[in-house]
Amino acid sequence: SSELTQDPAVSVALGQTVRITCQGDSLRSYYASWYQQKPGQAPVLVIYGKNNRPSGIPDRFSGSSSGNTASLTITGAQAEDEADYYCNSRDSSGNPHVVFGGGTKLTVL
Amino acid sequence: QVQLQQWGAGLLKPSETLSLTCAVYGGSFSGYYWSWIRQPPGKGLEWIGEINHSGSTNYNPSLKSRVTISVDTSKNQFSLKLSSVTAADTAVYYCARGNNYYDSSGYSHYMDVWGKGTTVTVSS
Repeated sequence: SSELTQDPAVSVALGQTVRITCQGDSLRSYYASWYQQKPGQAPVLVIYGKNNRPSGIPDRFSGSSSGNTASLTITGAQAEDEADYYCNSRDSSGNPHVVFGGGTKLTVL
Repeated sequence: QVQLQQWGAGLLKPSETLSLTCAVYGGSFSGYYWSWIRQPPGKGLEWIGEINHSGSTNYNPSLKSRVTISVDTSKNQFSLKLSSVTAADTAVYYCARGNNYYDSSGYSHYMDVWGKGTTVTVSS
């Protein structure tokens, strides 16, 4: 099955822009979706499709993709954005499975 | 506003069977895939499997031999059973609604509603 690879940790200064990436063969076929998880809480969907935000997700969150890499960009990071971020997609290797990236810990300095 | 409420035993002994149920409130049960995901302490998310309202299932190959996901459409509930548990199965288990997005350029699978999670500990 396919795998999705994320950097384990990323940091950003308060108010600056940060990009979190997710790489995998399945992303050549499918868009990634992105989840934010804060300690002790369930994940929350922040981006799906080409660049769609569920209701209630601030517009500083955006998504993009190129080749086998999907990106989640936070423009003007806030202290409350400090969290773990996970990407996921369907497996493209002919199986209808779901795969998650290993997660990226975002620190807002 | 769709909500998922999950429950099940939180403490198991090795070799026992984990059993969790997730109830769907406030929305349609059909037209979606209903998933189970787990997260071991300090680690990332792992997809366990999914089921639709018709009972069609997909399982993570690494867990397939021990996993059964079933559905009760009369109650808008779906359930997870994981047999022969070991300490490695200790995790927070989440249920979630799986949805699909299509546009002219591609497709996305996403999970837009999650349960609060159930902590399952396997210990002798």
